[in-house]
Amino acid sequence: KQEVTQIPAALSVPEGENLVLNCSFTDSAIYNLQWFRQDPGKGLTSLLLIQSSQREQTSGRLNASLDKSSGRSTLYIAASQPGDSATYLCAVRRNYGQNFVFGPGTRLSVLP
Amino acid sequence: DTGVSQDPRHKITKRGQNVTFRCDPISEHNRLYWYRQTLGQGPEFLTYFQNEAQLEKSRLLSDRFSAERPKGSFSTLEIQRTEQGDSAMYLCASSSVYRDRVEKLFFGSGTQLSVL
Repeated sequence: KQEVTQIPAALSVPEGENLVLNCSFTDSAIYNLQWFRQDPGKGLTSLLLIQSSQREQTSGRLNASLDKSSGRSTLYIAASQPGDSATYLCAVRRNYGQNFVFGPGTRLSVLP
Repeated sequence: DTGVSQDPRHKITKRGQNVTFRCDPISEHNRLYWYRQTLGQGPEFLTYFQNEAQLEKSRLLSDRFSAERPKGSFSTLEIQRTEQGDSAMYLCASSSVYRDRVEKLFFGSGTQLSVL
């Protein structure tokens, strides 16, 4: 059974700092991995998707990397801003199944 | 694309009542997912459809839960005889596996259920 964990559970940083969020999964046979952002009481917004054959994806100040062999993905946020404050979740799609398995998320607070 | 739409946004009900939620996916998306999320946790998979066929159901989906997707368009999730433990955010997501080479999930804003 695929299990996804995210460390840290919560993170508070001053504005302008670069930061890294971690996602770990137990089964390396994945099809793809997707990073989401969730604001309080809202649905999830897709940030980046990495196919299993890819090593990283970039969008603006965000960079996501994938290391299947070690079962890890990282989301790098450069020059953080207060507007980045949200919960960040990763989700893994299993190679042999159909649904996406989510991690519990990292709650990020960027202080002005 | 107008995005994934869910209705209602909030639902308050008394224990034992039945409730029904609706999800309208992005047009032409052939896959539709239902997830449940409680405070501080990631979404938990409930069920998903490809077109009108329900292809997978989680063990979380007890006999009190039923989902349909008639004609492969909108979907409904019904909970019968609600319990306080059903209180959660119910999220719908859709994706396309033929227009896009990559399957990417798009979520709605969710329906927040409170069972009193």
